Amino acid sequence: AQSVAQPEDQVNVAEGNPLTVKCTYSVSGNPYLFWYVQYPNRGLQFLLKYITGDNLVKGSYGFEAEFNKSQTSFHLKKPSALVSDSALYFCAVRDGGSGNTGKLIFGQGTTLQVKP
Amino acid sequence: SQTIHQWPATLVQPVGSPLSLECTVEGTSNPNLYWYRQAAGRGLQLLFYSVGIGQISSEVPQNLSASRPQDRQFILSSKKLLLSDSGFYLCAWSGGTTWNQPQHFGDGTRLSIL
Repeated sequence: AQSVAQPEDQVNVAEGNPLTVKCTYSVSGNPYLFWYVQYPNRGLQFLLKYITGDNLVKGSYGFEAEFNKSQTSFHLKKPSALVSDSALYFCAVRDGGSGNTGKLIFGQGTTLQVKP
Repeated sequence: SQTIHQWPATLVQPVGSPLSLECTVEGTSNPNLYWYRQAAGRGLQLLFYSVGIGQISSEVPQNLSASRPQDRQFILSSKKLLLSDSGFYLCAWSGGTTWNQPQHFGDGTRLSIL
């Protein structure tokens, strides 16, 4: 069965420091992975995706993610954190058994707190 | 470009009252549509999804129902609300024929049941 795990409920970093938000996955077949960000009382915003190709994927707002097949991970990274990056982050994987429905399986979310 | 609209943004309803939340998508045709509920600002629970007009799949048994009367309109309903129906409801869409594309979310409805 497909699954996604975000092992940290919260990540704290200082502004200007690099940040990493962790995600591991379990899928049968090729993984299709996504990262989203959610600000308070807003919907989820798509940041980036991995379908195939380069293991380092670049996305919106300076975020990037590194796909590691051997470790079944897809960690979100940013070289220099901003206070405005403070939000809730979700990792998701396409439900491989869902046919053409586009269904995603979401992790439980990680709160990123960037302190000035 | 494609946009998704949800309304209302906030709703306070008494227990036992009916519910209707609406979601519409613009700028695309034949999208896949989804209703999620998010409790306490954490994980998402998929409630319903639809791959076409009149086609509704339910993910979990519950007090809610969904309908898709038009290609780009998705409605979440209840005949009698329960306290446990409180939460943040999110609508999303994805490309109907491009299954490896992301879902795109509306800004949600905050539902409080009194």
